[in-house]
Amino acid sequence: SQQGEEDPQALSIQEGENATMNCSYKTSINNLQWYRQNSGRGLVHLILIRSNEREKHSGRLRVTLDTSKKSSSLLITASRAADTASYFCATDRSGTYKYIFGTGTRLKVLA
Amino acid sequence: SAVISQKPSRDICQRGTSLTIQCQVDSQVTMMFWYRQQPGQSLTLIATANQGSEATYESGFVIDKFPISRPNLTFSTLTVSNMSPEDSSIYLCSVGGGSTEAFFGQGTRLTVV
Repeated sequence: SQQGEEDPQALSIQEGENATMNCSYKTSINNLQWYRQNSGRGLVHLILIRSNEREKHSGRLRVTLDTSKKSSSLLITASRAADTASYFCATDRSGTYKYIFGTGTRLKVLA
Repeated sequence: SAVISQKPSRDICQRGTSLTIQCQVDSQVTMMFWYRQQPGQSLTLIATANQGSEATYESGFVIDKFPISRPNLTFSTLTVSNMSPEDSSIYLCSVGGGSTEAFFGQGTRLTVV
């Protein structure tokens, strides 16, 4: 079964606004990653945050991790039309190299 | 980082036939992973392919339906056998994972008619 649940399932915003997506998971993790998928193509890695980290930044992306609540959020600031995509969180299955993907958030940025 | 070439990028197949998807990595890797993404859904792990041993399948996936080959450290194939319309999905191969990022091929969009 999928470990990660994301909300919202879909998000529509205006260009320039910020977009926030949330991911919740069920078991202990070593790290959590966020990926972007454009139009059902391959996934592009955005950011990895380890279980002992609370926040990470990469350009316009900000990821937080709260292991006590088993949740993470992805913030995209000053969104652009090119950010339109599906975003997935993925958590590692402890003791393995396998990843479990969340349900995903479909983001649409309107120009 | 790793660059993954996956082909075909898409195909339309008749039910009852089989399709073999190829995945080529530009570096040697121990494990390769195959995922399925059904329409509008997230990714589900099908199996882990290790060179020199049989693939390890996740619950709900069996070797007879999804045979996997891993002849060397840079290449793997996934076959979708005896296809039905329910097999229409995007199939993706991946390398990496654990404490590092995973890299994905561009996916194979399969439509079964």
